[in-house]
This record gives sequence, structure tokens and C-alpha cells, in this order.
Amino acid sequence: GAVVSQHPSRVICKSGTSVKIECRSLDFQATTMFWYRQFPKQSLMLMATSNEGSKATYEQGVEKDKFLINHASLTLSTLTVTSAHPEDSSFYICSARPGLKNIQYFGAGTRLSVL
Amino acid sequence: AQKITQTQPGMFVQEKEAVTLDCTYDTSDQSYGLFWYKQPSSGEMIFLIYQGSYDEQNATEGRYSLNFQKARKSANLVISASQLGDSAMYFCAMREGITGANNLFFGTGTRLTVIP
Repeated sequence: GAVVSQHPSRVICKSGTSVKIECRSLDFQATTMFWYRQFPKQSLMLMATSNEGSKATYEQGVEKDKFLINHASLTLSTLTVTSAHPEDSSFYICSARPGLKNIQYFGAGTRLSVL
Repeated sequence: AQKITQTQPGMFVQEKEAVTLDCTYDTSDQSYGLFWYKQPSSGEMIFLIYQGSYDEQNATEGRYSLNFQKARKSANLVISASQLGDSAMYFCAMREGITGANNLFFGTGTRLTVIP
């Protein structure tokens, strides 16, 4: 299947710092990528839809100034957690769909721990 | 209303036996897709199987098959000949519409444990 690469896999940072997470589609172009957040033992919750060349669409309750999304090319979307706080500690996972195909592929996720 | 319902928080199965993981969905769209993903403890989401709403045949992928009952709005995953490596969380998901940038709605997941 298609490959989605996510980096870093784990990050530990101090409260107040910003963290950038990268999501790349390695063997296909993705005009749309999705960012999810997963709390322990819970399901995936969609945070935002990243659109290449335009602003991201955020789900209700997600602070767009807190979670900055940039989709500068057809193969790269980034999520920046600004001024991270301990409550932002979570598992973040990105996803992309190759063209008109139905299958949505996921990155390996990033485990963020804010001290 | 929940779009995807998985009623089994946890399931146990003996190695080499078959197991069925339940999933029901709710949509008024005629066109939709149903997915199953496996999430091991490492966290990655591994795509297993897909069923389109217009597909008449049940989807199969190796040891995985999807028991699609449209009238009942159910899309159960059947894993045959369970292996120890099948122990993981399993999520059922749905996307409404076929084209476009619609996202996936996920169920709450079922934790499968394969017993040696």
C-alpha cells in the first residue's frame, strides 16, 4: 500500500515550547491530509483537514492558533503545536489518501509529552 | 447519533480460531465506504480491508473478510486462523461519499487478545 511517513515518532518538550510534526506522502501526491489526535485507550479524533495551497479546515473545538497546519506541497503537511502545555500531551497521527482512491493511509504517529 | 458503533471493548480468541469483531454504522448517504484498521501497541494504524457501499461481494484480504450486511448496516470483521500477532486494537471506520476530502469517522475500537 501507499506509504505515509511521520516524523518525529516521539518528542518530549518543556512547557511553553513549540513542536513541529511532519507528515509526508512518500509515493503519491496528496492534496488533502488529515490530522488526528488520540488520547490513551480512546479512538481517533479528527483535528483538522489540511488542504494543499490553502488554509486548513479545523474541527469544532480545535484551536487553530494553537495547532498550526501548513500544507505547502503535495507531499508534505506539518502540524505545529505552539506554546505546548502538559494538556497537549497526546498521540498525534496524520493520514492521507492517494488521489481518488478510497483507502486512507496513516503515518506511524507522534507521541508528544510536554513536561 | 454515533456514526460507527463497536460494542465489544475487548475480545479473546484462541490461537488458530476465527473471531468476529462487530461494527454497525449509521448514515443516510447512499455512497459510503467502510474500513477496518489495526492498531498494535506501537500506535501505527494499519489498513486491513475496505468495503464500498455498492460492492455486492463481501471484501476479503487474506485472513480478513468483511461481513457486509447493508440492510442491517453492519460491517463485521472476520479474522480466520488467529495468530498471536493479531493481538491489537481494531477500529471500524466509515467515510460518507466516495470522492472528495471527506474524513473517516472511527468507532471506539475493540481490543483483541489472541491466547496461545
